[in-house]
Amino acid sequence: GQNIDQPTEMTATEGAIVQINCTYQTSGFNGLFWYQQHAGEAPTFLSYNVLDGLEEKGRFSSFLSRSKGYSYLLLKELQMKDSASYLCAVTDSNYQLIWGAGTKLIIKP
Amino acid sequence: DGGITQSPKYLFRKEGQNVTLSCEQNLNHDAMYWYRQDPGQGLRLIYYSQIVNDFQKGDIAEGYSVSREKKESFPLTVTSAQKNPTAFYLCASSILVGASETQYFGPGTRLLVL
Repeated sequence: GQNIDQPTEMTATEGAIVQINCTYQTSGFNGLFWYQQHAGEAPTFLSYNVLDGLEEKGRFSSFLSRSKGYSYLLLKELQMKDSASYLCAVTDSNYQLIWGAGTKLIIKP
Repeated sequence: DGGITQSPKYLFRKEGQNVTLSCEQNLNHDAMYWYRQDPGQGLRLIYYSQIVNDFQKGDIAEGYSVSREKKESFPLTVTSAQKNPTAFYLCASSILVGASETQYFGPGTRLLVL
């Protein structure tokens, strides 16, 4: 079967750095997305990785290792508004997105 | 402003009743999707459409129906055959169906059963 694993919940301090991991086992791989979702709202796109390595976009970076079936999202200089769920999703061989359950990130002052 | 709208924000369904959730986009996207989100689970695909007058079942299509008569609109009907409809329903669109195509989401409709 297809599976995306993420931690259910993480807590971090304002101003700090946090790394949210995602491991996947899917039928084929055509890219990995990270989305941010505030409670009760729509997911919004953060990043897309298809090649190994680190993609940096402001305070957010995303890393991919295809051989390990592993990605992480790195958030720097955490702000209170970063409190949200972070969703990892993989495009499989049929170009369908397989979604993880999301990681709820709690930021404390 | 381009975007995706969903209505209503909250919807209540009585036993045995069919209800329809609206999804409209003005992004000129060809592909549209319906997902269901339950607590502690990832988004699950109900139906998707790559082009007008064509749609495909996703992983959990039973108890749901859709239509795609216009490029801008992709309504979802939750039928009485769906025994556990309480969930957050998200509509999304993308330029095409493809590996790197970013999906853009509407604000969602929360469906509750009376």
